Amino acid sequence: EVQLVESGGGLVQPGGSLRLSCAASGFTFSSYSMNWVRQAPGKGLEWVSYISSSSSTIYYADSVKGRFTISRDNAKNSLYLQMNSLRDEDTAVYYCARERFPMARVDYWGQGTLVTVSS
Amino acid sequence: DIQMTQSPSSLSASVGDRVTITCRASQSISSYLNWYQQKPGKAPKLLIYAASSLQSGVPSRFSGSGSGTDFTLTISSLQPEDFATYYCQQSYSTPRAFGQGTRLEIK
Repeated sequence: EVQLVESGGGLVQPGGSLRLSCAASGFTFSSYSMNWVRQAPGKGLEWVSYISSSSSTIYYADSVKGRFTISRDNAKNSLYLQMNSLRDEDTAVYYCARERFPMARVDYWGQGTLVTVSS
Repeated sequence: DIQMTQSPSSLSASVGDRVTITCRASQSISSYLNWYQQKPGKAPKLLIYAASSLQSGVPSRFSGSGSGTDFTLTISSLQPEDFATYYCQQSYSTPRAFGQGTRLEIK
């Protein structure tokens, strides 16, 4: 059974940093691209970042470019999101999500981890 | 960047109704269009990928159509468990934009 379990969320002050993790199991993690998607309270879904299976290709939303860094460790079946210079508007539930070829659909999502940026 | 626009933003319907939700891309995305269902407090669930392909395990009352810039999600006969928010997403290019969502409510 495919499982994606996020961790690392919490309360952080504006300007602070946080590192999210996503532990994957039930599939060959190293064969899949992964994404982070977030959802602010009461709002819609916002794509945040993408990383290819080998980490050779990485993309970011403009809203987080230069502040967030996506990475993965295929030996540990883990995906990460390092978030620096956090802002109030980064408050959201962050989901890690598996992307499947072809057509780049996201077929599995984690349960999400809440990040709250507030003083 | 490609923008995705869904309509309507909200919709009231009854059990048994046929419902259609529309998604429009700001430029052609071929068939790189996915539909997700999200219930309160839960992660999204993939319903339709590549515009018209039904994800494994999804009931056949869900269907998708379209290509280029205009797409639709149709629920042929609403069931109580279908009341949720629906999102389209383009996977043609990055940023992989989502539509703003369509909230489907019980009439």
